[in-house]
Amino acid sequence: RKEVEQDPGPFNVPEGATVAFNCTYSNSASQSFFWYRQDCRKEPKLLMSVYSSGNEDGRFTAQLNRASQYISLLIRDSKLSDSATYLCVVRLSTGGFKTIFGAGTRLFVKA
Amino acid sequence: GAGVSQSPSNKVTEKGKDVELRCDPISGHTALYWYRQSLGQGLEFLIYFQGNSAPDKSGLPSDRFSAERTGGSVSTLTIQRTQQEDSAVYLCASSSGQSADGNTIYFGEGSWLTVV
Repeated sequence: RKEVEQDPGPFNVPEGATVAFNCTYSNSASQSFFWYRQDCRKEPKLLMSVYSSGNEDGRFTAQLNRASQYISLLIRDSKLSDSATYLCVVRLSTGGFKTIFGAGTRLFVKA
Repeated sequence: GAGVSQSPSNKVTEKGKDVELRCDPISGHTALYWYRQSLGQGLEFLIYFQGNSAPDKSGLPSDRFSAERTGGSVSTLTIQRTQQEDSAVYLCASSSGQSADGNTIYFGEGSWLTVV
């Protein structure tokens, strides 16, 4: 079983739609959580950190459920420019704070 | 430089040849990662260096792959006797690695390897 699992998608949504991505992690030493975004043929870049109380950044909302070992990302009012792959990321409190990436969920936003 | 620097950006090599890929992390970053990504696929973890600790090599796919990090800074990933399935982009990343919270991982633009 992979340490970080995501639905690979693709998710195909129209502009303006709300879309949610889910991610589960299995390592109980997971301490910090992030969402990264990767555009086609580009390197991944940090989208947002995920805090226990949940956090919002504009149209993006991230939630963490430690009991269920589950992370989510909600995108409201989707834009064409949101089309990308979204990577769920966890950092362990052990192993020198090793960081583990999920395989990503692909999103296509259509006009 | 300000970011993670990788070289070469593109490399075409013949099957059976050895290749070396270089990564220069952000200055002061103690954590360095190598990942591999085949076209249309997710990131595949290869190896992780953290300070002076022994590297986590658990992701290296075979003994043809090795990596070293000299002086706690620059890292070289070496692939011996390349095979066509080694064709991928090899991404290097670094972070300050000082704690579990709030340490962004920064990626280089990758080294695109094609084995013909």
